[in-house]
Amino acid sequence: DIQMTQSPSTLSASVGDRVTITCRASQSISTWLAWYQQKPGRVPKFLIYEASNLESGVPSRFSGSGSGTEFTLTISSLQPDDFATYYCQQYYSHSYTFGQGTRLEIK
Amino acid sequence: EVQLVESGGGLVKPGGSLRLSCASSGFSFTTYAMNWVRQAPGKGLEWVSSISSSSTFTYYADSVKGRFTISRDSAKNSLYLQMNSLGAEDTAVYYCAREGNHCRSTSCYFDHWGQGALVTVSS
Repeated sequence: DIQMTQSPSTLSASVGDRVTITCRASQSISTWLAWYQQKPGRVPKFLIYEASNLESGVPSRFSGSGSGTEFTLTISSLQPDDFATYYCQQYYSHSYTFGQGTRLEIK
Repeated sequence: EVQLVESGGGLVKPGGSLRLSCASSGFSFTTYAMNWVRQAPGKGLEWVSSISSSSTFTYYADSVKGRFTISRDSAKNSLYLQMNSLGAEDTAVYYCAREGNHCRSTSCYFDHWGQGALVTVSS
């Protein structure tokens, strides 16, 4: 199976900060990567597909980039609603795998 | 509006069985592959199983292969997960999830999720 590794595991930041979360794949997955946001006790919310394409309705402060084995999710100016856990997921292989998650907390 | 509503969760003893259901509405059920994803308490997301739109293809995580069976009923717009030989490691919230609209041939991301069904395996 393709392993997905996110860093950091926890990120402390303030409202207005620019933050970047990294996701690395154990082998090349081209751009077949998605990002999700999950708040405590809530259902995961789909954000980005094919590494850089924003789902309709997702604020433009979110952006994704990367290809091959290294990917990033960037939030350009953190808002209070953005503090949550973020997961990447590869869909290059049908044995889907997620990263372990990055918890974004208020500094 | 796409809606996915899971049911059938609960407390089951080790070695027992349980069947989850997911009722869908707001989209053409027969057009989309469907999936189960689970999340153990305090842990991350783990894909469990997928079924193609016509039920022709099914896929399972190694952790559940041989114990879980995914199926769907187009007449009822419903997805199912039959879980047998349950162990403590299967304790989790189980989400029903629809595939997205910009997939890579037969593999995809999940653009809509149900609210989840809690399965607790304990004696």
